[in-house]
Amino acid sequence: DSGVTQTPKHLITATGQRVTLRCSPRSGDLSVYWYQQSLDQGLQFLIQYYNGEERAKGNILERFSAQQFPDLHSELNLSSLELGDSALYFCASSVGDSGSYEQYFGPGTRLTVT
Amino acid sequence: KNEVEQSPQNLTAQEGEFITINCSYSVGISALHWLQQHPGGGIVSLFMLSSGKKKHGRLIATINIQEKHSSLHITASHPRDSAVYICAVRSNFGNEKLTFGTGTRLTIIP
Repeated sequence: DSGVTQTPKHLITATGQRVTLRCSPRSGDLSVYWYQQSLDQGLQFLIQYYNGEERAKGNILERFSAQQFPDLHSELNLSSLELGDSALYFCASSVGDSGSYEQYFGPGTRLTVT
Repeated sequence: KNEVEQSPQNLTAQEGEFITINCSYSVGISALHWLQQHPGGGIVSLFMLSSGKKKHGRLIATINIQEKHSSLHITASHPRDSAVYICAVRSNFGNEKLTFGTGTRLTIIP
């Protein structure tokens, strides 16, 4: 158990809908990273927050947004969903704000868009 | 060409064999991560290294910064080592993102 929690574990929804994925980092970790893993693209970095502020952005679509709250949990919002958004979404946390710190991964949320 | 290349893509071996998985990258990096993804999908961080060698149990990770190459070794492999092993690098150009390899699927046969 990494100490990182993600909810829900599975999500099935229809095209055009909006969903929110939630992540709680390990106690004491200030950074939260979001990743998408699809069959054709592999793991891709989406976005990072550190202590409530956006720190780095990767291949995140404009239809996607995220935030980190004062209690350090984070939410990833996906809107106008398309079939291609079906993927595993992982969050990870680390103590520092740099990719040079070890990251601890949550169990992931499997999103299926039908 | 991908920034991070792993080889082999698939590897099947007998229990007890010594396993080597390779990772080559094309950019300057400040850190390299080795991750293990279990068949159920969960990801575990195995190592993070920026130089030299690290060992944890039967796992050993090495990195050669000059040659832009890292290896993950598993000694006395066991069926429970069956998983996908993923290499990821953090560029030293200031962006915090990790760039991932496509993974090596390892199957250990009893």
